[in-house]
Amino acid sequence: GQQVMQIPQYQHVQEGEDFTTYCNSSTTLSNIQWYKQRPGGHPVFLIQLVKSGEVKKQKRLTFQFGEAKKNSSLHITATQTTDVGTYFCAGLRDSWGKLQFGAGTQVVVTP
Amino acid sequence: DVKVTQSSRYLVKRTGEKVFLECVQDMDHENMFWYRQDPGLGLRLIYFSYDVKMKEKGDIPEGYSVSREKKERFSLILESASTNQTSMYLCASSPTIGQGDHLFEAFFGQGTRLTVV
Repeated sequence: GQQVMQIPQYQHVQEGEDFTTYCNSSTTLSNIQWYKQRPGGHPVFLIQLVKSGEVKKQKRLTFQFGEAKKNSSLHITATQTTDVGTYFCAGLRDSWGKLQFGAGTQVVVTP
Repeated sequence: DVKVTQSSRYLVKRTGEKVFLECVQDMDHENMFWYRQDPGLGLRLIYFSYDVKMKEKGDIPEGYSVSREKKERFSLILESASTNQTSMYLCASSPTIGQGDHLFEAFFGQGTRLTVV
């Protein structure tokens, strides 16, 4: 079945630094979504990418979908303490709307 | 404000008990999901429902069953709780017709942390 791998599993970042988390699928994805889960919270939708090579920005967050639609990345610029949490990517598994989640990247930010 | 509500935030049950986890959504979504979340494993799909009385097994359905008698309510049942079912359980819903860039966007409940002793 479809596998979605996410690296790194854990990221320790100094405030102000940039970092990137990566998502790789064993199969071509029609759609990839990114979610953020704050400590003690639940996953919240950030963005969806659909087109090959698509790049979308949300303030300091840049999301990219690979040309082959098998990988994606999230790049955060000038990390802030509000960026703390776990970031999940999720690939659409079928036309019913089932998602295959990666294991997540847990981000810790030190001032 | 859209909402998915899970009946309990924390739950402690004994081994062998039958456990019901309830989830209600107010967005008239067709799809509803139950996931369990464990450290390092991400969110794993237990069961999925795409309509009232319709259900489909996810990746880890063993030891669980579900019920969807009404569109807004999706229940997860642990037939006989075991210690390896200690976990965070997350309910989610999503529409089947999306708006713009939000097709199949999943809305999650606050989660139920279940401990089986």
